[in-house]
Order: sequence, then C-alpha cells, then structure tokens
Amino acid sequence: NAGVTQTPKFRVLKTGQSMTLLCAQDMNHEYMYWYRQDPGMGLRLIHYSVGEGTTAKGEVPDGYNVSRLKKQNFLLGLESAAPSQTSVYFCASTRHQNTEAFFGQGTRLTVV
Amino acid sequence: RKEVEQDPGPFNVPEGATVAFNCTYSNSASQSFFWYRQDCRKEPKLLMSVYSSGNEDGRFTAQLNRASQYISLLIRDSKLSDSATYLCAPRNDYKLSFGAGTTVTVRA
Repeated sequence: NAGVTQTPKFRVLKTGQSMTLLCAQDMNHEYMYWYRQDPGMGLRLIHYSVGEGTTAKGEVPDGYNVSRLKKQNFLLGLESAAPSQTSVYFCASTRHQNTEAFFGQGTRLTVV
Repeated sequence: RKEVEQDPGPFNVPEGATVAFNCTYSNSASQSFFWYRQDCRKEPKLLMSVYSSGNEDGRFTAQLNRASQYISLLIRDSKLSDSATYLCAPRNDYKLSFGAGTTVTVRA
C-alpha cells in the first residue's frame, strides 16, 4: 500500500533555480493539498485541489504554482527558488470533504 | 487572529499522568475536526476524529465545544510512546487547516 508518495525526499537548490515536487496517491482521493512546515509555524496550506483539473490558493501561495492534470498526481512548482522557501513540504490527500487526510513522507528542501 | 491556535507547550509529564490541552479555531463554519499526531518532523498521522458529542479512543478523549470554538484532547495514563506533537485540524468545506501543534513529552 503506497498511499501518498512524494518525490524527491531531499533537495538542495540554489537561489533562482526552479524545481517541481511530485505528489502521487493511489487511493483515488478527490482532494489533494500542499503544505509547508516551518519551526513554530505549523502546517501552512500553499495550494489545494478539489479534483482533476482544478486548483485553488491556500494561505501562502506566493512563489508557488501547482497543477493537477491527473487525479492521482498533484505537482508543486517553484519557478525561482528563494531562501525563504527553505522548508519541509508535505502533500496530503482526502477521499471526501470530511474524511481524514493521508500525508506523504515530506520533502526537505533547502535553498542556498 | 490565527485560524487555529494551540498552546505550543511543551507539556512535560511523568508516565501514568493525565495531560490535557486545547485548540481554538476562528472559523465558526468549520464542519469537522481532527487530532493528528506528528513525530520528529515526520508526516502527521490521524490520531482521532472529534465528534460533537465527544469521543474516546482508548486512553484518548476528544471534546468539541462549538459555542466557544475549541476542541480538546485528554491523554490518560501517559506512556513514553505518547511523546509527540499533537496537531488539531478543523475542516471548513474543502480547506483543512492545522494548528502549530502542542508538544507532549512523557518522562520515565
């Protein structure tokens, strides 16, 4: 049972570089989320998707873009990485509106 | 005002003790509520859902107070393995928000 899989698990970027984080779920969940977690800040919602082909902004969307071309995948893009984007990124999915969230193992991103 | 606020702790308790903490939420339209557990910056995992009438799961009891907009978690007979950060998560429509977490450390 893979559940929610994030790739990569670790990455170091130089300021200004771009990258894409991939989240894949095999549970046929409708809703998917990208969060970042910083010390003392908890999980902050970046973007989310309520279904294939749809995305919406969360609390901290600036500097990030997302796409959900296939139901099972939710991609998070950083167009021009900044040191302020150094964080741990978690992807999550839920089957329905009021059901529990399942999380990926996280991506530790450092921007130098 | 933050959407979800939690006492960060840490709550440092001996084995066997009872520990309880709250989480307040600002959105009165929140429809469902959850407690998640997170170990050492690993991914959060569901501890329990919180129902309007309150609910228990073994040594864990969750309560919801809609009038005052808070949820609580009580851990009885604490075990060393309960040491973790506990995140509350109210859900409003499609949006699942998280508090910053309450850290509990259980000592032998």
